Amino acid sequence: SAVISQKPSRDICQRGTSLTIQCQVDSQVTMMFWYRQQPGQSLTLIATANQGSEATYESGFVIDKFPISRPNLTFSTLTVSNMSPEDSSIYLCSVVISSAAQYFGPGTRLLVL
Amino acid sequence: GQQLNQSPQSMFIQEGEDVSMNCTSSSIFNTWLWYKQEPGEGPVLLIALYKAGELTSNGRLTAQFGITRKDSFLNISASIPSDVGIYFCAGLGYNTDKLIFGTGTRLQVFP
Repeated sequence: SAVISQKPSRDICQRGTSLTIQCQVDSQVTMMFWYRQQPGQSLTLIATANQGSEATYESGFVIDKFPISRPNLTFSTLTVSNMSPEDSSIYLCSVVISSAAQYFGPGTRLLVL
Repeated sequence: GQQLNQSPQSMFIQEGEDVSMNCTSSSIFNTWLWYKQEPGEGPVLLIALYKAGELTSNGRLTAQFGITRKDSFLNISASIPSDVGIYFCAGLGYNTDKLIFGTGTRLQVFP
């Protein structure tokens, strides 16, 4: 496996503001993903973070709301823009190390007031 | 988005009991993964299954990849209090890197 860290671990934000979440891996990985986990729910894929090109978004998620950067093979950011209380969730990054198994970061707990 | 059906939704058991949970899908999957998530943490990978019929163990945990490729099972033997958490199955289809997650089974173990 790999060591995956996320910053911040949690935050409380005012509606209308934006928050950028960082995901750092201790080794180079090909595939990185961003997920959202709403309170009491399962995980939903937001997008695939592509190194050197635009992220690939899932249905229901758009770049204007969730811009993603992936400047290299060990780092990615997800921004939650123009936040509303409905954006209160846990945001998780994951990576594929080998054999299709995905490993997750510890998550960023976001509360929007 | 698509989700896998996972059952039971929750379980309340006595320490020492065995636990069984399963995950079903209308679609065929190429890979099945089982995760455990504890409060305040990200999901931790427990077992990965890559072949229909495969039976894999990790300590007291045993998981099986269903023969039909549409289901998977996770068993926990002799449960202990630290088994408490939410267990998620996840499936990976052919020619895709996108995991589909189950709805989760919340396990509570009483001493």
